[in-house]
Amino acid sequence: AQTVTQSQPEMSVQEAETVTLSCTYDTSESDYYLFWYKQPPSRQMILVIRQEAYKQQNATENRFSVNFQKAAKSFSLKISDSQLGDAAMYFCAYRSANFYSGGGADGLTFGKGTHLIIQP
Amino acid sequence: DGGITQSPKYLFRKEGQNVTLSCEQNLNHDAMYWYRQDPGQGLRLIYYSQIVNDFQKGDIAEGYSVSREKKESFPLTVTSAQKNPTTFYLCASSIRQGPYGYTFGSGTRLTVV
Repeated sequence: AQTVTQSQPEMSVQEAETVTLSCTYDTSESDYYLFWYKQPPSRQMILVIRQEAYKQQNATENRFSVNFQKAAKSFSLKISDSQLGDAAMYFCAYRSANFYSGGGADGLTFGKGTHLIIQP
Repeated sequence: DGGITQSPKYLFRKEGQNVTLSCEQNLNHDAMYWYRQDPGQGLRLIYYSQIVNDFQKGDIAEGYSVSREKKESFPLTVTSAQKNPTTFYLCASSIRQGPYGYTFGSGTRLTVV
């Protein structure tokens, strides 16, 4: 079974600065997908960014980018020019790509989350 | 607008009662999922379904049951056997194959009184 670890329960950053949230995962699979989700106080889960394991290029979405290190099984999220609206819980998640070829189980596996605080 | 709807937003259950949480989607997604979210635990998978009339247990299925009679609907029943039912429940849906994340509902908060 896969596991996802977020080692930072809480992070704080000044508005307009850059912050990096860490995520590591453990898997024996070679093909999979990784995601970062944001959960603001409303508790609505919002997809921030995704990465396909076979792609070497790191994904970017506006102020959000990832540093994907496949060999190290690391998938960190960088938020540039932090804004007050970025304050939320952030979850890293893993999805196997092998389910439909007969391997493993489906379902996103989540880390326990990082609470991001933005200081004005 | 396409989306996924969970109801009710808040639900209260007496000890020993079963209760059913509703989840409906109009995104034409084949796959649907139920998660529970406890403080400090992240999201944990209860059940999932890839196609109508078929579903699979997730990591914490004990005390729960589901059905998938229609593509659009995936209700979750919390039975009296569930020892710690008071928590936040999230339903999600997804395209079956590919690098797609899930679309989540807004959640149901269940409290045992």
